[in-house]
Amino acid sequence: GAVVSQHPSWVICKSGTSVKIECRSLDFQATTMFWYRQFPKQSLMLMATSNEGSKATYEQGVEKDKFLINHASLTLSTLTVTSAHPEDSSFYICSARDSLGQQETQYFGPGTRLLVL
Amino acid sequence: AQRVTQPEKLLSVFKGAPVELKCNYSYSGSPELFWYVQYSRQRLQLLLRHISRESIKGFTADLNKGETSFHLKKPFAQEEDSAMYYCAPWGVTGGGNKLTFGTGTQLKVEL
Repeated sequence: GAVVSQHPSWVICKSGTSVKIECRSLDFQATTMFWYRQFPKQSLMLMATSNEGSKATYEQGVEKDKFLINHASLTLSTLTVTSAHPEDSSFYICSARDSLGQQETQYFGPGTRLLVL
Repeated sequence: AQRVTQPEKLLSVFKGAPVELKCNYSYSGSPELFWYVQYSRQRLQLLLRHISRESIKGFTADLNKGETSFHLKKPFAQEEDSAMYYCAPWGVTGGGNKLTFGTGTQLKVEL
């Protein structure tokens, strides 16, 4: 089946540094990828929709300059948390939509745990 | 506004008992409805979708457009069903097609 990978799986960084998270669709092409944030014992909150070759669409309340998204190819999207602060500590999950499969299905990555000290 | 309600945060049942995880949605248009499951320390994965009208791992879900509900049911719960379950409509909201996740229900199946 279709697989979405994320790298790194966890990262610890100092406040003020930037962190890049990669999301790859391993055996399918994804024109659309999604980035979510999940706090402990809470649901997934959509941060932005990443479209290959165009600008990402951010959800209300998500700072586009803080969370930079690049979707340069049909199999890779990156999320960069710029000038990270402790409040950015969270679990970030990417998802890719297989639009060419038999049924359009959204597959999820394993998530990246970010801890900002 | 588009909204998904899963009223139970935690549902605890005994093995072999019937299970029903409730989901109500408020959505304009005709969204496609999904149930996703997240087992402990695993990624979120698709359990079933309403258009397939299939049974996965013994679970079924019927879309009731009149009541705008999409409850997930299983006649006999198994220990391995313990997980977090999310109801998620897919449709147009806020200018684009996207999944909107409910708050989730933690199902705990006890022996």
